Amino acid sequence: QLQLQESGPGLVKPSETLSLTCTVSGGSISSSSYYWGWIRQPPGKGLEWIGSIYYSGSTYYNPSLKSRVTISVDTSKNQFSLKLSSVTAADTAVYYCARHITGTRYFDLWGRGTLVTVSS
Amino acid sequence: AIWMTQSPSLLSASTGDRVTISCRMSQGISSYLAWYQQKPGKAPELLIYAASTLQSGVPSRFSGSGSGTDFTLTISCLQSEDFATYYCQQYYSFPYTFGQGTKLEIK
Repeated sequence: QLQLQESGPGLVKPSETLSLTCTVSGGSISSSSYYWGWIRQPPGKGLEWIGSIYYSGSTYYNPSLKSRVTISVDTSKNQFSLKLSSVTAADTAVYYCARHITGTRYFDLWGRGTLVTVSS
Repeated sequence: AIWMTQSPSLLSASTGDRVTISCRMSQGISSYLAWYQQKPGKAPELLIYAASTLQSGVPSRFSGSGSGTDFTLTISCLQSEDFATYYCQQYYSFPYTFGQGTKLEIK
């Protein structure tokens, strides 16, 4: 059973870079069948897609965040990562990693999520 | 970007009721719509994709319909475990966006 697990600091200072990693277990991140994505949810609010990556390293990002986002993949570790620069309090959210099938863009498998708070 | 209007934002119902949630798009998206259920403190779970295809393992009391700009999620006979928040997501046009959510609460 494939599972996703987010990890990273729960507290980031304003203007710094948020860094999270998603570890894929029970299957290979290098499958041609899937893309891997990040979605966030501010407390009490809705969902926002951040961006997605293919195991080859091909990426696409939400234009609203594109200037601050980098998503990368490490196939040797079966992980993909998110970096969000110049964070503010508005970036405080639960960050989820998730999977979508190649050719589709709905998310059929999610990690449990991790809360990141931006505060000094 | 495509704007999505999900309604109602809050829905009160009782176990056994039939309920519907609406998702309206600012432009046509064919059938590129998914529905998710989210319980407090948990990640969203996929219920329906392609507007009306039930994800494996999802009870048949959930159904989806619509195409173009107007979509509906129906729960035919509410069970206690169905009280949660529901989101629609369009994946027709980049960037992929979610509705604002509908919280289904016990009346």
